[in-house]
Amino acid sequence: GQSLEQPSEVTAVEGAIVQINCTYQTSGFYGLSWYQQHDGGAPTFLSYNALDGLEETGRFSSFLSRSDSYGYLLLQELQMKDSASYFCAVRDRADKLIFGTGTRLQVFP
Amino acid sequence: NAGVTQTPKFQVLKTGQSMTLQCAQDMNHEYMSWYRQDPGMGLRLIHYSVGAGITDQGEVPNGYNVSRSTTEDFPLRLLSAAPSQTSVYFCAIQSTPKAGANVLTFGAGSRLTVL
Repeated sequence: GQSLEQPSEVTAVEGAIVQINCTYQTSGFYGLSWYQQHDGGAPTFLSYNALDGLEETGRFSSFLSRSDSYGYLLLQELQMKDSASYFCAVRDRADKLIFGTGTRLQVFP
Repeated sequence: NAGVTQTPKFQVLKTGQSMTLQCAQDMNHEYMSWYRQDPGMGLRLIHYSVGAGITDQGEVPNGYNVSRSTTEDFPLRLLSAAPSQTSVYFCAIQSTPKAGANVLTFGAGSRLTVL
């Protein structure tokens, strides 16, 4: 079967750094994506890794290790507006995006 | 959510009723999909389409039908609603802004309650 595992919840304070991990087991692998979803809203795309290493987009970075079937999203200089759910997603051999169950991030002042 | 329009935003059904969730896009993307989101379950793929006339099943297709007669529209039909189909439904289009990156743009969602 296919599965993506993430922690269910992470808490941090404003200005801190937080890392959200994702391990995956899928039928084929063609890239790891991250999405952000605020309460009551739709998921929005954050980042994508096809190859091993770090991709940086402003305060957010995403890392991939294909040999370990593992990736993470790193959020720096946390702000209150970063409180949201974060989903990792893997593109499988059928070109479908399979999502993890999501990590709820709560940022406290 | 610009470019992907879902209707209705909210719907309450009785068990056994049928209904159609509408999804329309104006961005001429070939790939469209439907996901459902339940607490603690993340987003699960119901059906998807790679172009007009072509549809395929996702992870949880039972109880749902789709068709793709045009590039613009991808309706999701519930044939006989059940309480287990109470969920938030998202339609999405897929683009590839950089090589290999299949990026989904979601509609605003449709919250369905089945009594």
